[in-house]
Amino acid sequence: AQTVTQSQPEMSVQEAETVTLSCTYDTSESDYYLFWYKQPPSRQMILVIRQEAYKQQNATENRFSVNFQKAAKSFSLKISDSQLGDAAMYFCAYTGANSKLTFGKGITLSVRP
Amino acid sequence: NAGVTQTPKFQVLKTGQSMTLQCAQDMNHEYMSWYRQDPGMGLRLIHYSVGAGITDQGEVPNGYNVSRSTTEDFPLRLLSAAPSQTSVYFCASSRTSGGKGTEAFFGQGTRLTVV
Repeated sequence: AQTVTQSQPEMSVQEAETVTLSCTYDTSESDYYLFWYKQPPSRQMILVIRQEAYKQQNATENRFSVNFQKAAKSFSLKISDSQLGDAAMYFCAYTGANSKLTFGKGITLSVRP
Repeated sequence: NAGVTQTPKFQVLKTGQSMTLQCAQDMNHEYMSWYRQDPGMGLRLIHYSVGAGITDQGEVPNGYNVSRSTTEDFPLRLLSAAPSQTSVYFCASSRTSGGKGTEAFFGQGTRLTVV
């Protein structure tokens, strides 16, 4: 079974600075997707970024980018130029051949003005 | 473009009562699922469906039933509510591509309190 681990329960960043959120996963599959979801206080689940395992290039979406290390099974999210609106809970997630989405426990990110 | 519509947003039940959480999607996605979110636990899979007429259990299925009579709808039934079922519930749908799942689209969530 696949597992996703987010070992840091909380992080804090100064506004306009850069922060990196860590995620590791375990799988025996070679083809899969990885995601980062954002959950603000409104509790809506918002897709931030996705990465296909067979694509070596790291995904980017504006201020958000990932560092995907397939051999190490690591998938970290970098948020550049942090904004107050980035404060939220962030979940790392995995899906593969069975379409089941497996989540990490999440990390609460706070942004200091 | 409604996406995934989940109702209600809030619900309070008494122990032993039953209820149904409704979920509908208009994206023609094959895969639908229900999760519960508890503090420090992330989102855990309750039940899922890979198509109309096909359902299966996830990680925490006890106390819940599902059915999938159409592609669009995937209701979750609480048979006899217990305080341990106090949680936030999410419905999600996704399509498959290249033999694997893709990103999930989520409903707005239901905060359920069982007293």
